[in-house]
Amino acid sequence: EDQVTQSPEALRLQEGESSSLNCSYTVSGLRGLFWYRQDPGKGPEFLFTLYSAGEEKEKERLKATLTKKESFLHITAPKPEDSATYLCAVQPFRFSGNTGKLIFGQGTTLQVKP
Amino acid sequence: GAGVSQTPSNKVTEKGKYVELRCDPISGHTALYWYRQSLGQGPEFLIYFQGTGAADDSGLPNDRFFAVRPEGSVSTLKIQRTERGDSAVYLCASSQRDFATGTQYFGPGTRLLVL
Repeated sequence: EDQVTQSPEALRLQEGESSSLNCSYTVSGLRGLFWYRQDPGKGPEFLFTLYSAGEEKEKERLKATLTKKESFLHITAPKPEDSATYLCAVQPFRFSGNTGKLIFGQGTTLQVKP
Repeated sequence: GAGVSQTPSNKVTEKGKYVELRCDPISGHTALYWYRQSLGQGPEFLIYFQGTGAADDSGLPNDRFFAVRPEGSVSTLKIQRTERGDSAVYLCASSQRDFATGTQYFGPGTRLLVL
């Protein structure tokens, strides 16, 4: 069964304190792994897509990496405005036909204090 | 340009009532998805449309849930005989091309509360 687990569930950082969020996944075939940011009361906002092990993508203070079993979202010198819930999702590959549906983890809620 | 829009933003209804939730995708996006998000959880897939047809409805929890996209643009999620367990945020997403290459962009969601 396809499954995504994120850890930790919640993370508190001081401004400038770098850290990483983990996304472990089990999927029979991976078409892509996605990271989204979600602010309270809003819909998820797209951050990155990763397709193959070893791939890395960066955007401002965020860097996403991918291995065959997990992905990391590294946050360098975070600011209070980085506070949000970060969601990881996998898009399974199926020989029988693909729908593009995303399977999400439960998210990591990040709080960055000034 | 304009993003995905959803109406209403909030909906309060009584147990047993019928509700309709609307999604207006990004112009030109052919693929449309519905997800449901419970408090503290990630979104859960409900249904996927490619054009006018539902290509995958495997996530619909039961036959009280139904969705349509008659002209390949706006979609409506319909819930009959609502139950308290249906309370959640219903999210819509659209993507520019088919599932293989399109990033899914989400709307703000409709918060449904069933009393």
